Amino acid sequence: KNQVEQSPQSLIILEGKNCTLQCNYTVSPFSNLRWYKQDTGRGPVSLTIMTFSENTKSNGRYTATLDADTKQSSLHITASQLSDSASYICVVSVNEKLTFGTGTRLTIIP
Amino acid sequence: NAGVTQTPKFRILKIGQSMTLQCAQDMNHNYMYWYRQDPGMGLKLIYYSVGAGITDKGEVPNGYNVSRSTTEDFPLRLELAAPSQTSVYFCASSFGGDRGRKTQYFGPGTRLLVL
Repeated sequence: KNQVEQSPQSLIILEGKNCTLQCNYTVSPFSNLRWYKQDTGRGPVSLTIMTFSENTKSNGRYTATLDADTKQSSLHITASQLSDSASYICVVSVNEKLTFGTGTRLTIIP
Repeated sequence: NAGVTQTPKFRILKIGQSMTLQCAQDMNHNYMYWYRQDPGMGLKLIYYSVGAGITDKGEVPNGYNVSRSTTEDFPLRLELAAPSQTSVYFCASSFGGDRGRKTQYFGPGTRLLVL
């Protein structure tokens, strides 16, 4: 069983709508939790990074939250744009070892 | 800055053939990494390097070799290609390790098909 589980596997929403992606992890405690965006055919690009003690971090229309008690993180995307179509990957690190989730494939339709 | 570059973009290999995946970065990063990404799976670390002349195994090193003779380059060698090595390979680099919350910058990937 993967130590970092993401849901949903895929999501389709209309342009302009908001959405929230979920990440559940079992590794604890951890050093950092990151969210990456991966466009089709490209490498992942970092969106946010949070330490174990932080509970929210924003990057423009992207807001990541962290609940260490329930071992959950979420990525909220506000006012989605067509360019948000991508895979979003949750990554948890412990002692320099990164564990990657399988990602959520987000498709924005006009 | 070009960032992290990888060549080739796509390659088909026959079983038993060898090849080297090239990776270069121009950001003067000391840490470099090789990952593979299989369909429906999270990225897995193959090898990493914390500086020129220093390399170490990741989670899935079998069937691969690396070297780091310069800060800029970190080639990944496949000696005897097997169908299980069909994957997308990503190289990444960072200025420092994860404890320092250093962001890893990824290359565009190399898609490898072994038949």
